[in-house]
Amino acid sequence: LAKTTQPISMDSYEGQEVNITCSHNNIATNDYITWYQQFPSQGPRFIIQGYKTKVTNEVASLFIPADRKSSTLSLPRVSLSDTAVYYCLVGDLNTGGFKTIFGAGTRLFVKA
Amino acid sequence: DTAVSQTPKYLVTQMGNDKSIKCEQNLGHDTMYWYKQDSKKFLKIMFSYNNKELIINETVPNRFSPKSPDKAHLNLHINSLELGDSAVYFCASSQVGGGPVDEQFFGPGTRLTVL
Repeated sequence: LAKTTQPISMDSYEGQEVNITCSHNNIATNDYITWYQQFPSQGPRFIIQGYKTKVTNEVASLFIPADRKSSTLSLPRVSLSDTAVYYCLVGDLNTGGFKTIFGAGTRLFVKA
Repeated sequence: DTAVSQTPKYLVTQMGNDKSIKCEQNLGHDTMYWYKQDSKKFLKIMFSYNNKELIINETVPNRFSPKSPDKAHLNLHINSLELGDSAVYFCASSQVGGGPVDEQFFGPGTRLTVL
């Protein structure tokens, strides 16, 4: 099972771009990289998922280098409401969530 | 419309009691999960249930038993509750292999406090 390593916490200011990097040295060929966001007292919410290179949606961008041993979640122009815990996880889509592991996540605190 | 719902939202009970948490999803997904989030915020999967196939995380005590009356429901029953069972329990669902993106939809969580 691939293990992920993320910074425990990060601070930022409103309007800045935030990049959270996740290491997953043992990622398997069939594993995808997924990021979730969790606000206090709520369940995690899917942000973005990718396999290689770059993926972009209305919320974030995900950068994955060729060796896929790491990935970077990029949040453009964060606001106070982006204060949350961000989880990086890897897993095989065809096996469902059981083989994906949520780590401790990165606590992002956005300041005014 | 709530995609994944859980009841109750809060549950306070005494040690040794038996309790159940209910989960329902209206997304038509074929896979449901139970997660436990402890005080340190680690989110650990407990069970995965897909088309009547139950995958158990071997680290989960057998006091915990998931029950699925149908594809839209996955309830969690806990026997002989212990102090260490206090946590937030999340239900989730997804459509495994249903497309290029495997997104899990989480419920709002049930905060269980064992006294």
